[in-house]
Amino acid sequence: GAVVSQHPSRVICKSGTSVKIECRSLDFQATTMFWYRQFPKQSLMLMATSNEGSKATYEQGVEKDKFLINHASLTLSTLTVTSAHPEDSSFYICSAPSGGANEQFFGPGTRLTVL
Amino acid sequence: AQSVTQLGSHVSVSEGALVLLRCNYSSSVPPYLFWYVQYPNQGLQLLLKYTSAATLVKGINGFEAEFKKSETSFHLTKPSAHMSDAAEYFCAVSDRGGGFKTIFGAGTRLFVKA
Repeated sequence: GAVVSQHPSRVICKSGTSVKIECRSLDFQATTMFWYRQFPKQSLMLMATSNEGSKATYEQGVEKDKFLINHASLTLSTLTVTSAHPEDSSFYICSAPSGGANEQFFGPGTRLTVL
Repeated sequence: AQSVTQLGSHVSVSEGALVLLRCNYSSSVPPYLFWYVQYPNQGLQLLLKYTSAATLVKGINGFEAEFKKSETSFHLTKPSAHMSDAAEYFCAVSDRGGGFKTIFGAGTRLFVKA
């Protein structure tokens, strides 16, 4: 099946710094990718839809200036958490649809800890 | 708008017993439905999916689910639980034409007792 990777798998940063998370589709092209966040013992909440070559679409309540998304190529989307604060600590997961398989393929997730 | 409701945040069964995890969905269009499993600090693994073919869907690790349109349900079952089945399970719905935007249920934690 299709593979989606994320980098880094874990990151610890100081409050006020910015952190970039990469999501790559390794063996297929994805014009759309999705970013989710998951707090401990909770479900995945869709943050935004990343669109190749155009602006991302953010879900209600998600600050687009705080969570910058860039989908620069058909295999790469990046999520930058700007001026991170402890409340941004979470598990961030990306996914990409593989149309032929009628499903999403999920990355392994990135654990962000903001001190 | 689509939504998913998983009944029971925690389910506990004995090893060898039947596993039943409940999921009801709401969708204005024929949905795609999925069950995923998540182990601690890991990503999601697809167990099975319904995409309008057979209503009884068989997945990996002995799991299966039945799509019942009249009940708007997609419950997950496994005849005999194994200790390794202990994990978090998520039911999810996707809009066929919406670029596979996927909405997740709140999740059900499955505990398996020896």
